[in-house]
Amino acid sequence: EPEVTQTPSHQVTQMGQEVILRCVPISNHLYFYWYRQILGQKVEFLVSFYNNEISEKSEIFDDQFSVERPDGSNFTLKIRSTKLEDSAMYFCASAPRWGYTFGSGTRLTVV
Amino acid sequence: AQSVTQPDIHITVSEGASLELRCNYSYGATPYLFWYVQSPGQGLQLLLKYFSGDTLVQGIKGFEAEFKRSQSSFNLRKPSVHWSDAAEYFCAYFGNEKLTFGTGTRLTIIP
Repeated sequence: EPEVTQTPSHQVTQMGQEVILRCVPISNHLYFYWYRQILGQKVEFLVSFYNNEISEKSEIFDDQFSVERPDGSNFTLKIRSTKLEDSAMYFCASAPRWGYTFGSGTRLTVV
Repeated sequence: AQSVTQPDIHITVSEGASLELRCNYSYGATPYLFWYVQSPGQGLQLLLKYFSGDTLVQGIKGFEAEFKRSQSSFNLRKPSVHWSDAAEYFCAYFGNEKLTFGTGTRLTIIP
């Protein structure tokens, strides 16, 4: 069964550093998403991406965040200057239209 | 405002007993509804989804859910739980180009 692959599974970074979280969506999917889950809290929407542009973003997704689909297969989330409160599990998802498939997540720890 | 509510934060069930996890939604149009399961430290796995048609939806791992428009509910059920069902369960709806999750219900199974 096709999977969404996320790397790394766990990343530790110092506050103020840039991080890039990587995702390989399912190849024939058209819609791509990033969500995050702070420990013990619910899953929150960050951004959706379709047709090479952001289609929707949440209040969380401020100027420190950006997404790219640089080569037609990868889908990345960049955090320019990480803060302690960015520590969370970040999930990538892709969908043909409905019915997301989520990756297993990247646990980001900012110290 | 559109939202999804899971009124039970934590439920404990004996192995072999039946299970019902509650989900209520607030959405103007017919919602697209989902149930996801998350094992500790893992990603989100889709159990089942409702778009339209038959209001009783069958999913994986023996789960089912019933959409009741009159009650604005989409409760998840399983006739006999197994120890491996212990996890966090999230109800979600798709609207405005994104999934919105409930706060989750943690399911504990006792022998």
